[in-house]
Amino acid sequence: GDSVTQMEGPVTLSEEAFLTINCTYTATGYPSLFWYVQYPGEGLQLLLKATKADDKGSNKGFEATYRKETTSFHLEKGSVQVSDSAVYFCAGTSGSRLTFGEGTQLTVNP
Amino acid sequence: EAGVAQSPRYKIIEKRQSVAFWCNPISGHATLYWYQQILGQGPKLLIQFQNNGVVDDSQLPKDRFSAERLKGVDSTLKIQPAKLEDSAVYLCASSLNPDRGKNSPLHFGNGTRLTVT
Repeated sequence: GDSVTQMEGPVTLSEEAFLTINCTYTATGYPSLFWYVQYPGEGLQLLLKATKADDKGSNKGFEATYRKETTSFHLEKGSVQVSDSAVYFCAGTSGSRLTFGEGTQLTVNP
Repeated sequence: EAGVAQSPRYKIIEKRQSVAFWCNPISGHATLYWYQQILGQGPKLLIQFQNNGVVDDSQLPKDRFSAERLKGVDSTLKIQPAKLEDSAVYLCASSLNPDRGKNSPLHFGNGTRLTVT
């Protein structure tokens, strides 16, 4: 079945540091890929998505590129802010249910 | 637009008791999902409705969990009887259509945090 694997967390960075959170997927066919974010005390929100190979999703300074050759969808941001502190979930679907990774807790210190 | 509404926000019960959660999706969203999120894990789909019909309940523990969406709008999720391992956040989500977010993203509620003692 489909699966999504995220880098083991948590991640702690200083403000303005570069962020990478790794995500790889295993799926039959070609899944659509997503990053969701969960701020403290809130529900999950869609951050960005890519529906086919080589697509780049971007939002709020975050980016992720759908790499078919490495089956990856790594999340990046050039300069993180304290307000980016949250849990980030990679997810994928290929016609079956939407499958989430385990989540990565990001803490950004001033 | 108003978001997905869930209640209660928190619930504490003893094992073997019953509990019910309520969800009101975004107006016009035909597809409704219930997810279970155990601490430190990603959300796991329990059941998906398309209007008032069940599309996917393959991961729902049917011996103790049940869900309904009688009029194709609100939904309730019930656990009877609860076990310690049911302690989790129960998330409701909705989307415009059932393509699981390829073009229609899921909108999540804030969840109900259940503690079973």
